[in-house]
Amino acid sequence: EIVLTQSPGTLSLSPGERATLSCRASQSVSSSYLAWYQQKPGQAPRLLIYGASSRASGIPDRFRGSGSGTDFTLTISRLEPEDFAVYFCQQYGSSPRTFGQGTKLEIK
Amino acid sequence: EVQLVESGGGLVQPGGSLRLSCAASGFTFSSYWMHWVRQAPGKGLLWVSRINTNGISTIYADSVKGRFTISRDNARNTLYLQMNSLRADDTAVYYCARGKGAFDMWGQGTMVTVSS
Repeated sequence: EIVLTQSPGTLSLSPGERATLSCRASQSVSSSYLAWYQQKPGQAPRLLIYGASSRASGIPDRFRGSGSGTDFTLTISRLEPEDFAVYFCQQYGSSPRTFGQGTKLEIK
Repeated sequence: EVQLVESGGGLVQPGGSLRLSCAASGFTFSSYWMHWVRQAPGKGLLWVSRINTNGISTIYADSVKGRFTISRDNARNTLYLQMNSLRADDTAVYYCARGKGAFDMWGQGTMVTVSS
């Protein structure tokens, strides 16, 4: 099974700043089948990025996904108050589909 | 409205059984692979099971294999998860999710608590 390790565990930033979240896979993710999700307290996850770099429908362009192979990054260019949440990466190129442990983005 | 709505969660004793349902609306349910994903309190996401469009192909996480069964009724636009031999570590919010690739739609989740 592919293990995904996200870093940092917690990221403290202010609105307007740039956030960089990392997701590292224990082995290469097939065809860049890597997704990012945002989850707010008491809510279901929401798909942000699929295929490592494609934004899901309705996702603002301040969210950008990049990477390939074993190293992937989610960048939020200018943080809005509503962006403070937990972010998970997921690989869906091999079974079982696995998630990273999450990065909590909190207001500094 | 395009949505997934889970139901069937609750409190069950260790060793007991529960069946979760996920009602789909607003899209062609029979065209989509469906999944169950769970999240223990304060923890991350764990993929549980997947079923293909016609229900013939299913796959499970090792932690639930032999205890859980995923199924679907395309005529009723409903996904199911039959959970048997429940253990305390099955306690979680259970989400249904749609997608052959990434999960582009999720339900709001239903809480399952396994405790005596």
